[in-house]
Amino acid sequence: DARVTQTPRHKVTEMGQEVTMRCQPILGHNTVFWYRQTMMQGLELLAYFRNRAPLDDSGMPKDRFSAEMPDATLATLKIQPSEPRDSAVYFCASGLIPGGSSSDTQYFGPGTRLTVL
Amino acid sequence: GESVGLHLPTLSVQEGDNSIINCAYSNSASDYFIWYKQESGKGPQFIIDIRSNMDKRQGQRVTVLLNKTVKHLSLQIAATQPGDSAVYFCAGGDSSYKLIFGSGTRLLVRP
Repeated sequence: DARVTQTPRHKVTEMGQEVTMRCQPILGHNTVFWYRQTMMQGLELLAYFRNRAPLDDSGMPKDRFSAEMPDATLATLKIQPSEPRDSAVYFCASGLIPGGSSSDTQYFGPGTRLTVL
Repeated sequence: GESVGLHLPTLSVQEGDNSIINCAYSNSASDYFIWYKQESGKGPQFIIDIRSNMDKRQGQRVTVLLNKTVKHLSLQIAATQPGDSAVYFCAGGDSSYKLIFGSGTRLLVRP
């Protein structure tokens, strides 16, 4: 059963510290998305990649957030320095997009719950 | 502007009854829609999708209806079960393949 995996599942850190979240997309998927979920804002798209190339990171605070795909099996989202307002659940999703006649569905990982004190 | 919204934040139904969750969208360029189910502590889980050239699609116990004239879609769950309790999101995608999510509807199933 292919799944998107994310590590860590939970992270508590202090303001100013660097946070790195990792995602392993489903094997064969060519597109990876990073989302942030909060009660106030819901699910927000931060950035996404196709074939490891960044396509859009307009949803991401540029001064402190960075997203990369070192290889096809790993996507990272880094926050430096972290702030209390970054506290949220961060989801990675992957998909085979465009899917042609099949769905362009994104499949989500379990998320990383980040708390910045 | 682009937005996908939901009419009701919480829906409470009796076990065994049918549930209908509604969603409105504003982006005319949306050409596919996806319904996700999110249980507490988990990521959104794909339920069913529909392309804009369709008006109905059925899955196992679920049906999605799309009305492009009024920019509305709904998710119908037949014979709702306790395991269906979750937050349901609709999301719309266009040629950019980015999804815009609605705010979610919490479904509560009463025993």
